Amino acid sequence: GQQLNQSPQSMFIQEGEDVSMNCTSSSIFNTWLWYKQDPGEGPVLLIALYKAGELTSNGRLTAQFGITRKDSFLNISASIPSDVGIYFCAGLENAGGTSYGKLTFGQGTILTVHP
Amino acid sequence: DTEVTQTPKHLVMGMTNKKSLKCEQHMGHRAMYWYKQKAKKPPELMFVYSYEKLSINESVPSRFSPECPNSSLLNLHLHALQPEDSALYLCASSQVYPMVIGNYGYTFGSGTRLTVV
Repeated sequence: GQQLNQSPQSMFIQEGEDVSMNCTSSSIFNTWLWYKQDPGEGPVLLIALYKAGELTSNGRLTAQFGITRKDSFLNISASIPSDVGIYFCAGLENAGGTSYGKLTFGQGTILTVHP
Repeated sequence: DTEVTQTPKHLVMGMTNKKSLKCEQHMGHRAMYWYKQKAKKPPELMFVYSYEKLSINESVPSRFSPECPNSSLLNLHLHALQPEDSALYLCASSQVYPMVIGNYGYTFGSGTRLTVV
């Protein structure tokens, strides 16, 4: 099956620093999603990318959909303590003939921000 | 309403118990999903319902039994679970193709933390 390789696995940074994480895939996805998950909660959608080469921002977050449709990165600028959590990339595909979208997740990046 | 509501938030059950997890959404989504998530790992797909019919069963053991009574509700019935089934169980919903092309509005609930003793 398809796999997403997400890196780094974990990051320990000081408040105010910028963060960058990325995902690569062996297969093409039509949509890339970036989620953040806090302990004991479900994943919350941060950014959705629909077009190859697309660059999208959401506040301090910026994400890009790779030209080949096989990769994406997420940047967080000027990190703050509440950025702590696990960040997941996910590729979304509509398998031929089906009505639903199937998500494939990366392994996650655990972010720790020191005040 | 842009939420997926899951109950209960926490559940502790013995290996001989029968319990149910419930999920509800009122966004008009016609696809609903159950995921299982272990600590610090990504969610793993268990079941997909599309238009209230089971579309995917990812080789899940029969001690997990899903049910979709209507377009807003999704249940997961649990029976004779094992300690290794302890995990966070997430429900999600989305719009369906080809009504929308894009992120499908894929929304997750907060999950049920299940502990099997």
